[in-house]
Amino acid sequence: KNQVEQSPQSLIILEGKNCTLQCNYTVSPFSNLRWYKQDTGRGPVSLTIMTFSENTKSNGRYTATLDADTKQSSLHITASQLSDSASYICVVSASPGGSYIPTFGRGTSLIVHP
Amino acid sequence: KAGVTQTPRYLIKTRGQQVTLSCSPISGHRSVSWYQQTPGQGLQFLFEYFSETQRNKGNFPGRFSGRQFSNSRSEMNVSTLELGDSALYLCASKGLAASYEQYFGPGTRLTVT
Repeated sequence: KNQVEQSPQSLIILEGKNCTLQCNYTVSPFSNLRWYKQDTGRGPVSLTIMTFSENTKSNGRYTATLDADTKQSSLHITASQLSDSASYICVVSASPGGSYIPTFGRGTSLIVHP
Repeated sequence: KAGVTQTPRYLIKTRGQQVTLSCSPISGHRSVSWYQQTPGQGLQFLFEYFSETQRNKGNFPGRFSGRQFSNSRSEMNVSTLELGDSALYLCASKGLAASYEQYFGPGTRLTVT
């Protein structure tokens, strides 16, 4: 069964600090891994997308890494801001026969305090 | 360019009723996917439509169905509502140029009483 596990479940940090969120997956055959940011009451917004051959992808202060051998990904947030307070969701898509089926993690709830 | 729109934004229904939710994708996008989000299960994939055909389907009962029209707008229907169907229903559209990038709408908050 395809699964995506995220840790920690929740995280509280001070503004300006860095943090790293983790995502472990058992999805096969692997197609791509995406990180989304979801603000309360809004739809998710894509931060990064990585395929099998990519091991690092940056989007401003967000940097995602992918280790396809260990089936792990991380999302590093640099110099956190209050607006980073949100849920961060890891999504891994399988690709049976050319289509894709996404499996979602439960998300990490990040709270940034001033 | 307008984003993905969903209507209605909020809905309250009674157990046993049926409901239809609507999603208008970004102009030019032909793929529309539907998701259910609950505090207990997180986000779960319902189905994807492309050019009026269901291309992928998640693990949901047959009470959940959808369709896509020739203008790419999509509707999702849930029949015989159960209390557990209370959730945020999100749709997302995807274009052809960026093959994996999809854009989510704000969602429809469905409450079943």
